[in-house]
Amino acid sequence: AQSVTQLDSQVPVFEEAPVELRCNYSSSVSVYLFWYVQYPNQGLQLLLKYLSGSTLVKGINGFEAEFNKSQTSFHLRKPSVHISDTAEYFCAVSDGRRGSARQLTFGSGTQLTVLP
Amino acid sequence: EAQVTQNPRYLITVTGKKLTVTCSQNMNHEYMSWYRQDPGLGLRQIYYSMNVEVTDKGDVPEGYKVSRKEKRNFPLILESPSPNQTSLYFCATRTSGVTDTQYFGPGTRLTVL
Repeated sequence: AQSVTQLDSQVPVFEEAPVELRCNYSSSVSVYLFWYVQYPNQGLQLLLKYLSGSTLVKGINGFEAEFNKSQTSFHLRKPSVHISDTAEYFCAVSDGRRGSARQLTFGSGTQLTVLP
Repeated sequence: EAQVTQNPRYLITVTGKKLTVTCSQNMNHEYMSWYRQDPGLGLRQIYYSMNVEVTDKGDVPEGYKVSRKEKRNFPLILESPSPNQTSLYFCATRTSGVTDTQYFGPGTRLTVL
């Protein structure tokens, strides 16, 4: 079984400042990792994912994340945030083994609030 | 346009009154699932389906039922709702391939009084 810990429930940041949202996971098997974003009153939208290959993954809206296997982390970063980035962000993990059902396990979410 | 639709979007009901939340997708995806979202807990999986007539329990299945009689539809049934099932519910779909992108519906906000 996998688990995900998002270390910060709320992250306030000023517009145009950099931001990092932290995510750590626990798993005894290989994993796939994801970041989803939820804008107010909407469903979840995929930001980026790591399946294999390069550990630095680039996603939509200027976000990127780095998979660090030794630290079991998958932190999300953006060099300069905009007001429109205000949303809740969820880190998720699934079993990466061939033939697995690949159920997603989500973290508890981080509310990013960008201040003017 | 690729879509996952849920109905109703909002529902207020009373304890014990059976209800069904529908989920439909037009992407021909094999995999469908239901999640509930509660503050501070993130999303937790209720049930999932790998294909027609194949369903299995997720992490929090108690009090819920599902069926998958056709590929595009995956209804969530609450036979006797209770206040602790007040939550925001999401349906999601995914292909069986390795792309692993789940597509989420817009959500159904359920209040059980």
